[in-house]
Amino acid sequence: GEDVEQSLFLSVREGDSSVINCTYTDSSSTYLYWYKQEPGAGLQLLTYIFSNMDMKQDQRLTVLLNKKDKHLSLRIADTQTGDSAIYFCAENSLAFNAGNNRKLIWGLGTSLAVNP
Amino acid sequence: DTGVSQDPRHKITKRGQNVTFRCDPISEHNRLYWYRQTLGQGPEFLTYFQNEAQLEKSRLLSDRFSAERPKGSFSTLEIQRTEQGDSAMYLCASSLSGEGTEAFFGQGTRLTVV
Repeated sequence: GEDVEQSLFLSVREGDSSVINCTYTDSSSTYLYWYKQEPGAGLQLLTYIFSNMDMKQDQRLTVLLNKKDKHLSLRIADTQTGDSAIYFCAENSLAFNAGNNRKLIWGLGTSLAVNP
Repeated sequence: DTGVSQDPRHKITKRGQNVTFRCDPISEHNRLYWYRQTLGQGPEFLTYFQNEAQLEKSRLLSDRFSAERPKGSFSTLEIQRTEQGDSAMYLCASSLSGEGTEAFFGQGTRLTVV
């Protein structure tokens, strides 16, 4: 089946690193995404990784992908209070699709609280 | 281009009424998606269009829901005979076709059915 799982809450101190974890089930997913949602706002793509990559770094963000375990993580270095938001993991899944149409399957989101 | 815009931002309606939401995607994007998000949940896929063709509809989309994209540009999502369970944030996204292309989301329309 199609399922993306994340822990629901994470609390860190300002300046520390945050690590948000995600597991997914569709091994045919070719891209995995991290989106950020601030209160009352739409979803913002933070970063994505192609499934044949192990790691992607983009400024303070590091994405690690373990395709064997279907595990994805997002590390935010030097976490700031402005990073407080809900972070969603998503995979572009072929599951239950006819043909080659993919759709994004989302986790429930991890609520990150950054304490000063 | 100011990104994906949705209208209205908020809608309060009485149970049993019909509502229609509009989404204007980024102009060069040929794909348009509708998602629904309830509190504490991730977005749930509802349907998507490539140009004016509706290519997939979720099993979540009951007969009371209909979406159109008549000219391959803006899209409308109509909910007939609204129920309290329809209360949610309705999100629209657009992208170019092709794998790995970024989907840009609008701010969403928050529907409250009373």
